[in-house]
Amino acid sequence: SAVISQKPSRDICQRGTSLTIQCQVDSQVTMMFWYRQQPGQSLTLIATANQGSEATYESGFVIDKFPISRPNLTFSTLTVSNMSPEDSSIYLCSVARGSSYEQYFGPGTRLTVT
Amino acid sequence: QKEVEQDPGPLSVPEGAIVSLNCTYSNSAFQYFMWYRQYSRKGPELLMYTYSSGNKEDGRFTAQVDKSSKYISLFIRDSQPSDSATYLCAMIPGGSYIPTFGRGTSLIVHP
Repeated sequence: SAVISQKPSRDICQRGTSLTIQCQVDSQVTMMFWYRQQPGQSLTLIATANQGSEATYESGFVIDKFPISRPNLTFSTLTVSNMSPEDSSIYLCSVARGSSYEQYFGPGTRLTVT
Repeated sequence: QKEVEQDPGPLSVPEGAIVSLNCTYSNSAFQYFMWYRQYSRKGPELLMYTYSSGNKEDGRFTAQVDKSSKYISLFIRDSQPSDSATYLCAMIPGGSYIPTFGRGTSLIVHP
């Protein structure tokens, strides 16, 4: 497993602003992912954060709205840009090692946009 | 039709009961099947992971996969109030590493 921390744990933001969420892992991992979890909905993958290259986005998510950085093997950030109330959700970071299919999740960031 | 269907519940049981949680799916390419437990205001925690059909047991938890019926189950024996959480199933097709999650089933075990 891995110990994963996220900052901030929660935030309330104004419409039109941006928020950057940080994800830190206690050891090097191959893969890092960002998910969104809306109330009553399943986890939705936003993108895979690739170390040293651009993130790989899933259908329906674009880099301009959700820019991602991954400067090294233990850290990644997700920015939610130009926020609207529809972006209110829990944002989760997860990691996987090597070719493992097992993902380990951080505690999440609870975002409310007013 | 969603790829993975899971009844959101809530499912309420008395302490000590055997709990059965289920997911159905439509994509026959799914090869890897997982169950996650998520406590309120926490991230999901991997509970069980199985490959293809069959059973896997870990303590009070048993995961069962029936690929012919496209149906997976998680059984919890001697359920405890500490088992109260949301249980999410997840599935990955062969050749991929991206899971598709169910919506989760809320379980309440009352003393």
